[in-house]
Amino acid sequence: GENVEQHPSTLSVQEGDSAVIKCTYSDSASNYFPWYKQELGKGPQLIIDIRSNVGEKKDQRIAVTLNKTAKHFSLHITETQPEDSAVYFCAARTPLDSNYQLIWGAGTKLIIKP
Amino acid sequence: EAQVTQNPRYLITVTGKKLTVTCSQNMNHEYMSWYRQDPGLGLRQIYYSMNVEVTDKGDVPEGYKVSRKEKRNFPLILESPSPNQTSLYFCASSFSGTVNYEQYFGPGTRLTVT
Repeated sequence: GENVEQHPSTLSVQEGDSAVIKCTYSDSASNYFPWYKQELGKGPQLIIDIRSNVGEKKDQRIAVTLNKTAKHFSLHITETQPEDSAVYFCAARTPLDSNYQLIWGAGTKLIIKP
Repeated sequence: EAQVTQNPRYLITVTGKKLTVTCSQNMNHEYMSWYRQDPGLGLRQIYYSMNVEVTDKGDVPEGYKVSRKEKRNFPLILESPSPNQTSLYFCASSFSGTVNYEQYFGPGTRLTVT
């Protein structure tokens, strides 16, 4: 089955700098890759997603890139702000999975230093 | 307001005492799911439901039960809780389980079993 690895587990960046979180997946049939943000004391919330027919997607300060050949995808946050501090999860989904489930990475705690 | 609610938010119990965590969504979603979140392990799916009266096991179903008698409700039952079920639990819902729709998460239930 699918396996998703996420790195780093903790990332500390200066306010205003960029942050990059990387995930790799194992199943080449996976075709959907969402990113969720979990703020302290809350449930995860979708911030951006990408499908396998697209190489890059942007939404204001966040972007996701997908490299199907290497089987990895990354979240890029530019001009980081204090409110970006959170735990970020990547996930992957394969249409061949009979459970229709998302397979999640272990999460990255992003710390924005003032 | 569209939301997923969970109750209770915090629960401390003793080994073997049956408990139920309720989950309700007001978005008329077909798909509902329970996850547990443990440090370093990300989100692991316990059970999911594709629709009323249709439930199936996720990756870590042992020690849990669920039911889906109504579309809006998806309670998680621990018949005989054990300390290894101490965790943060999230309920989530989505318009459909077979298409890549956003999952909406509840605020979480922190369970401690002593």
